[in-house]
Amino acid sequence: QVTLRESGPALVKPTQTLTLTCSFSGFSLSTSGMCVSWVRQPPGKALEWLALINWHDDKYYTTSLKTRLTISQVASKSQVVLTLTNMDPVDTATYYCTRTREMSHGGYGMDVWGQGTTVTVSS
Amino acid sequence: AIQMTQSPSSLSAAVGDRVTITCRASQGIRSDLGWYQQKPGKAPKLLIYAASNLERGVPSRFSGSGSGTDFTLTISSLQPEDFATYYCLQDYNYPWTFGQGTKVEIK
Repeated sequence: QVTLRESGPALVKPTQTLTLTCSFSGFSLSTSGMCVSWVRQPPGKALEWLALINWHDDKYYTTSLKTRLTISQVASKSQVVLTLTNMDPVDTATYYCTRTREMSHGGYGMDVWGQGTTVTVSS
Repeated sequence: AIQMTQSPSSLSAAVGDRVTITCRASQGIRSDLGWYQQKPGKAPKLLIYAASNLERGVPSRFSGSGSGTDFTLTISSLQPEDFATYYCLQDYNYPWTFGQGTKVEIK
């Protein structure tokens, strides 16, 4: 059974750095075609794709946050870490990590999601 | 980045209705598009990948079509559990981008 769980602070102050951890089981990020993505959703707003790390350790980021985001893996612990620097109230959102994989008929799919973790940015 | 535009942004429909949601890409994305369903307070769920392929376990009343720039998600007979918000996502190139969502409400 594949599971993912996000963890991190519920509240951060403006200008601080947010560090979120995605702990997963049931798959290996070393397997060809496997990836982990991060997606966020501000309250009442649409989903926003943030970043992806793949089995080859390639990393991709959304353009608007590229200078502030870092995604990395802790292979031995089956974890993926996302950091977002210089937090602002507009970064208040629910942050999800997802297993993302190459699908049998082509393309990719975010086929298993964590429950999400809510982060509020406020002084 | 590729812009994904969904229409309509919301719709009202009755149980049993046929519902169609459209997603348009700002440039051609082959068939590299997925559809996701999200219910309030829940994580999204993958419905369709590669434009027209049904994810395992998803009811066959859901279907997807299209390629290039224009895509459609169809629910052939709307069920009570289908009232939710639907998002398209292009995975043609990085950065991946979601549409703004379509909320399907009860008429």
